[in-house]
Amino acid sequence: RKEVEQDPGPFNVPEGATVAFNCTYSNSASQSFFWYRQDCRKEPKLLMSVYSSGNEDGRFTAQLNRASQYISLLIRDSKLSDSATYLCVTSMGTGFQKLVFGTGTRLLVSP
Amino acid sequence: DAGVIQSPRHEVTEMGQEVTLRCKPISGHNSLFWYRQTMMRGLELLIYFNNNVPIDDSGMPEDRFSAKMPNASFSTLKIQPSEPRDSAVYFCASSLFSRGLFLSYEQYFGPGTRLTVT
Repeated sequence: RKEVEQDPGPFNVPEGATVAFNCTYSNSASQSFFWYRQDCRKEPKLLMSVYSSGNEDGRFTAQLNRASQYISLLIRDSKLSDSATYLCVTSMGTGFQKLVFGTGTRLLVSP
Repeated sequence: DAGVIQSPRHEVTEMGQEVTLRCKPISGHNSLFWYRQTMMRGLELLIYFNNNVPIDDSGMPEDRFSAKMPNASFSTLKIQPSEPRDSAVYFCASSLFSRGLFLSYEQYFGPGTRLTVT
């Protein structure tokens, strides 16, 4: 079983739609959680951290459920530029530097 | 500001040859990470360093892989001998590590080296 599991998609949505991605993690020792974004043939970049209380950054909202070991990302009012692969990430190890990546969920936003 | 720099960007080599990938972290960062990304396995951490010292190399697939960080501004990942299954994109990332600062955990990735072993 993979440590971080995501639906690979692709999720095909029209511009303006709301889309949600889910992710589950298996290691209860995970302490920090993130969503990274990766464009085709580019490097991953941090989209947002995920806090226990949930957090919002513009059109993006992240939620964490520690009891269910579940993380979510909600994107409202999708833009064409949101098309990318979204990577769910947990961290553990000394100083929680050891990132464990899911294989990603691909999002395609169409006009 | 310059980000993480990796070289070469593309490498094509024959099975059995030695491959050396290079990374220059962001100036001032004290942690460096090597990752490998494939379609099947996604992004996997191979090894990371704090203050030039290897902390965790449990992700290094086998003895054919080795990594060094001789100083704060340079690291290498070497594969000897290379095999076709080593074909992947290899990313280097760096971060500023401080136990007291949550923001220190953000890792900045380089553009990657696309390795093809034939």
